[in-house]
Amino acid sequence: EVQLVQSGAEVKKPGESLRISCKGSGYSFTSYWISWVRQMPGKGLEWMGRIDPSDSYTNYSPSFQGHVTISADKSISTAYLQWSSLKASDTAMYYCARVLPFGKAFDPWGQGTLVTVSS
Amino acid sequence: SYVLTQPPSVSVAPGKTARITCGGNNIGSKSVHWYQQKPGQAPVLVIYYDSDRPSGIPERFSGSNSGNTATLTISRVEAGDEADYYCQVWDSSSDHAHVVFGGGTKLTVL
Repeated sequence: EVQLVQSGAEVKKPGESLRISCKGSGYSFTSYWISWVRQMPGKGLEWMGRIDPSDSYTNYSPSFQGHVTISADKSISTAYLQWSSLKASDTAMYYCARVLPFGKAFDPWGQGTLVTVSS
Repeated sequence: SYVLTQPPSVSVAPGKTARITCGGNNIGSKSVHWYQQKPGQAPVLVIYYDSDRPSGIPERFSGSNSGNTATLTISRVEAGDEADYYCQVWDSSSDHAHVVFGGGTKLTVL
């Protein structure tokens, strides 16, 4: 079974750093991109960026460029999303998803990681 | 940048047909994907490449795409279909290719 399992919920203070993870299993991790998607409370889906785990090439949505970093460790089939200095406005659910080729549909999705940033 | 427009809400009685639209400039030239998201759950792919269904998705779910509008059609709607639905495309028309989501449509089963 193809699966993406994300790390657990986090509670952080403004200015702190954070890295959340997304571990793939049941498929060849280096054969598919991984994307990250933000969902703020009560809002829609926002694409943040993607990584090709085979060579760690990334591209980001202009809305998130410079605010987050996406990386991957193919030796352990894990992708990461990290912040160097969190803000209260980063409070959201974050999903990773495997990107299918030729059209870039997302399937499957991870279960989500809730990040709460509060002083 | 490319914009996808969905109606905020659609209501339908059980057993009837629901149609959720996704508008975009010449969207018929792109591959459109649809996701279902129930409260407290991660999104699930229900239609990809305009009209293909992943395994496990009921045949009641279908899709079409032409001109400036893509449509997700749910036949014989059930209470369990109540959810938010999002359309998505990959926009490679600019220098930096990226993913675009529609704003989402809340389907209410009356």
